[in-house]
Amino acid sequence: AQSVTQLDSHVSVSEGTPVLLRCNYSSSYSPSLFWYVQHPNKGLQLLLKYTSAATLVKGINGFEAEFKKSETSFHLTKPSAHMSDAAEYFCVVRSPNFGNEKLTFGTGTRLTIIP
Amino acid sequence: DGGITQSPKYLFRKEGQNVTLSCEQNLNHDAMYWYRQDPGQGLRLIYYSQIVNDFQKGDIAEGYSVSREKKESFPLTVTSAQKNPTAFYLCASSEGLASYEQYFGPGTRLTVT
Repeated sequence: AQSVTQLDSHVSVSEGTPVLLRCNYSSSYSPSLFWYVQHPNKGLQLLLKYTSAATLVKGINGFEAEFKKSETSFHLTKPSAHMSDAAEYFCVVRSPNFGNEKLTFGTGTRLTIIP
Repeated sequence: DGGITQSPKYLFRKEGQNVTLSCEQNLNHDAMYWYRQDPGQGLRLIYYSQIVNDFQKGDIAEGYSVSREKKESFPLTVTSAQKNPTAFYLCASSEGLASYEQYFGPGTRLTVT
């Protein structure tokens, strides 16, 4: 079984300040982890993914995330927020299942950027 | 341009009517998926298909049906048996079920009154 918990439903930061979106997961096996971003009324776009290589993963638009097995966490960070970062962010877990892997989505974190 | 198209973007139906949502991809992907998104919830898997003429129920398949007659197309029918059909529906595809990345379409917002 696998699950993912996004600890904050809404995060507000000022433009130019750091962003931290928190995600904890559970998985019976070594998971793959993803962050997706969704702008209003749009589909989801992959920001970054962890697939058992380097624990610090760099993604698009300056985002990065660190896989911490001991803490079962995969938090998303960005050093300096931009207005265009305002969107909904989803943490996603995927466990090995013999070619029948499915994604489990968190409930999302809405990021608001204050000018 | 390669990608996934969903049409229409907005769809309105009366209660009791079946409605079919379109999903087409030109990525040559074998696997396709349908998700439902409700406010404050993550995406939930409705149906998925690993290959043409084969599909499997996801976590919330009741009241929905699909077909996969062509590799590039995976239409979803929302039947009158679906108790709460109003939602945002997202189609996705991947190279295979074991692929790491799913690519998403822009979604269709269905409103049933």
